[in-house]
Amino acid sequence: QSVLTQPPSVSGAPGQRVTISCTGSSSNIGAGYDVHWYQQLPGTAPKLLIYGNSNRPSGVPDRFSASKSGTSASLAITGLQAEDEADYYCQSYDSSLSALVFGGGTKLTVL
Amino acid sequence: EVQLVESGGGLVQPGGSLRLSCAASGFTFSSYWMSWVRQAPGKGLEWVANIKQDGSEKYYVDSVKGRFTISRDNAKNSLYLQMNSLRAEDTAVYYCARTHSYSRSPLFDFWGQGTLVTVSS
Repeated sequence: QSVLTQPPSVSGAPGQRVTISCTGSSSNIGAGYDVHWYQQLPGTAPKLLIYGNSNRPSGVPDRFSASKSGTSASLAITGLQAEDEADYYCQSYDSSLSALVFGGGTKLTVL
Repeated sequence: EVQLVESGGGLVQPGGSLRLSCAASGFTFSSYWMSWVRQAPGKGLEWVANIKQDGSEKYYVDSVKGRFTISRDNAKNSLYLQMNSLRAEDTAVYYCARTHSYSRSPLFDFWGQGTLVTVSS
């Protein structure tokens, strides 16, 4: 059981908007620790997608956005494309565990 | 271009040992924290350990404390993970990741391609 909870899967048609939630607690997201998001395309290593709750690294399309509120965070993908089909992970720090923690991951399927 | 290349994975029996290496290039290795992150087959990501720029601080996930040791050689731009007393549940792809000290929640901004460790008799 992951410390950060994500839905196992989400899906959407090309061009649509999807969101992926990441629910934590008072010892991680709720304690003010920043949330980062990673994209893992099939058979490849993860790639940093969003850092510091809502910032995109250079090269990441602005179709990807994220936010954080209270004990949760969310990733939004607009104008869904076939190439967005991947696993998405949220990550933060947990003060109770003194550990960097990941969500369980969400598989995005583009219909 | 930042490059991280892991090596040293393979098949090992339960209770055995293995040493992973990660060769870094394209950035000033000695200026960054570094981490190991693993992914069991078909499962999610799990942070394993990280190490400060000069090696003076090291942190581990509870499940590997006392069995795994992270180290680095800044002169060789290399990161290591010594894994002892290996268990079946340590079977995973192990990624080397450059770690950015962002605010109070470090992040992994570049990843290697991973090396597979299989613990089985």
